[in-house]
Amino acid sequence: DVQLVESGGGLAQPGGSLRLSCAASGFSFSSYWMHWVRQAPGKGLVWVSRIDSDGSDTNYADSVKGRFTVSRDNAKNTLYLQMNSLRPEDTAVYYCARHYVSNSADSWGQGTLVTVSS
Amino acid sequence: DIQMTQSPSSLSASVGDRVTITCRASQSIIMYLNWYQQKPGRAPNLLIYAASTLHAGVPSRFSGSGSGTDFTLTISSLQPEDFATYYCQQSYSTPYTFGQGTKLEIK
Repeated sequence: DVQLVESGGGLAQPGGSLRLSCAASGFSFSSYWMHWVRQAPGKGLVWVSRIDSDGSDTNYADSVKGRFTVSRDNAKNTLYLQMNSLRPEDTAVYYCARHYVSNSADSWGQGTLVTVSS
Repeated sequence: DIQMTQSPSSLSASVGDRVTITCRASQSIIMYLNWYQQKPGRAPNLLIYAASTLHAGVPSRFSGSGSGTDFTLTISSLQPEDFATYYCQQSYSTPYTFGQGTKLEIK
């Protein structure tokens, strides 16, 4: 079965950094593009970033561009999201998701909560 | 960026009802439109991709239609497990924006 498990969330101060990880199993990770999507408490879904299968092509939402960096280690079957210059509005549950047909996302992790507060 | 507008924002319905949720894009997205279902405290689940293709394992009471800028998600006969929040998402161009969601509640 496809499994995606996020980790690395927690409390960070404004201006601080966190690195999220997403461990993948049950499928050929190196063959798939991957997404990050976030959801602020009580709010809707917001697409954050996408990375292609070998990590050479990435895209970001304007709200995180220049502050967040998506990367992957295909040897470790792991996706990352490096988050710098964190702001209170980055507080959210962060999900990793597997890219599927028509740029949809067919498998999602359980999410990891990031709280940015002093 | 492409803006996605869902309506209604919330909807009360009964088991067995037929319900329709609409999603409008600010520009043509051809058929790059996906629908997700999310239950409280859970990750989203893909229901429909490419506007009208049912994802594997999704019950046939769910259907999607539309192209260009106007899309609909229809549930033909609501079941108790369908009460959730539904999101549309355009995947035509990044950023892959979501609609604001439609919360489907039991009447």
